[in-house]
Amino acid sequence: DADVTQTPRNRITKTGKRIMLECSQTKGHDRMYWYRQDPGLGLRLIYYSFDVKDINKGEISDGYSVSRQAQAKFSLSLESAIPNQTALYFCATSPGTGGWISNQPQHFGDGTRLSIL
Amino acid sequence: KQEVTQIPAALSVPEGENLVLNCSFTDSAIYNLQWFRQDPGKGLTSLLLIQSSQREQTSGRLNASLDKSSGRSTLYIAASQPGDSATYLCAVTQLNYGGATNKLIFGTGTLLAVQP
Repeated sequence: DADVTQTPRNRITKTGKRIMLECSQTKGHDRMYWYRQDPGLGLRLIYYSFDVKDINKGEISDGYSVSRQAQAKFSLSLESAIPNQTALYFCATSPGTGGWISNQPQHFGDGTRLSIL
Repeated sequence: KQEVTQIPAALSVPEGENLVLNCSFTDSAIYNLQWFRQDPGKGLTSLLLIQSSQREQTSGRLNASLDKSSGRSTLYIAASQPGDSATYLCAVTQLNYGGATNKLIFGTGTLLAVQP
């Protein structure tokens, strides 16, 4: 089984719909992240969480919200989806080392391909 | 604002060739630099992480170097194989970037094809 699992793997939906992408991990990591990947733009950070009570906005948080339900679960919601949110979404995790910045690499899920019509 | 650039965007080489992928960044105030591999339909796999105080890291046929003062990193792949075909991404952890920590700033990647 994958250490970082994202569901669904693919989703097609319509403008205005509410969508939730889920991420669960078995690595026991404290830190979790949501990114989106767009052609020509690379990966950009949407939200990140250092523990259940610590959630922070990333580079492109507008139009998104997150929930850290437990150490192992971090979900991303699009309250009212719009076509320019069509992208590949990745969840990632990393260990918490007690300091602000870690030299531990992030571990990624296989992604959710989201298409908004 | 930190910008990470990878050139070329795509590269095709015959099997067995040694090759170098390039990554450049505009702000030298980085904490570390990572190289990732991305296979189609898959997530990213971390290959090497170089701390800002280090010059290089090696793992098997891979060697990554870092020249922070010039804003450059290279990923050297020795004796390339068809299984090395993937997109290679570099990312930097920026110091004090908008108050964020552990924030990776990614390049757009180099698509590598190794021909049998």
